[in-house]
Amino acid sequence: DGGITQSPKYLFRKEGQNVTLSCEQNLNHDAMYWYRQDPGQGLRLIYYSQIVNDFQKGDIAEGYSVSREKKESFPLTVTSAQKNPTAFYLCASSLPPGELFFGEGSRLTVL
Amino acid sequence: KQEVTQIPAALSVPEGENLVLNCSFTDSAIYNLQWFRQDPGKGLTSLLLIQSSQREQTSGRLNASLDKSSGRSTLYIAASQPGDSATYLCAVRGQSSYAAGNKLTFGGGTRVLVKP
Repeated sequence: DGGITQSPKYLFRKEGQNVTLSCEQNLNHDAMYWYRQDPGQGLRLIYYSQIVNDFQKGDIAEGYSVSREKKESFPLTVTSAQKNPTAFYLCASSLPPGELFFGEGSRLTVL
Repeated sequence: KQEVTQIPAALSVPEGENLVLNCSFTDSAIYNLQWFRQDPGKGLTSLLLIQSSQREQTSGRLNASLDKSSGRSTLYIAASQPGDSATYLCAVRGQSSYAAGNKLTFGGGTRVLVKP
């Protein structure tokens, strides 16, 4: 089945640690996106990539990093510089400017 | 800057009643508009995509309308069921260039409860 796979579903991080969230898609989509969702704040765009080896900052990129070495993969690293990383993270993909599809999300909690 | 608003933030209806969900946006220069459903703790599921040239789009019990001139879209869900309980979000894609990423602007969502 075609779709977007995010892992892990739940992740716990200690203060000062970097963690990486995985996002893989087999939809052959060119564009991939990372969003952060907090209660009462809606979805906010962290980073997006429209083509392999290229990506752009979204609205809240500080404290995050990404790579796009393969069309299918767009991992997100939450660095220790992100002051409030506890959130629900959503990966999405599309053939722009078409329909956007989402993964099931990863919940990160800082201990 | 595009702003997308969904009012009310929460809605409760008895089973069988038709649901009417509203989405308004400030910049009418849009490329398309997409409606999503989100269950608690889950990702977003795409329901309908309406291109800017379309007035409505239908899928089963769902019907979405688009009025660009007034900056509004409405999602109708006929004969609601308890399984329709979820948060519904709309998102607007502006007529931006490829370089700008064709990004979507999301509304805050409407949380729906359908009571048996």
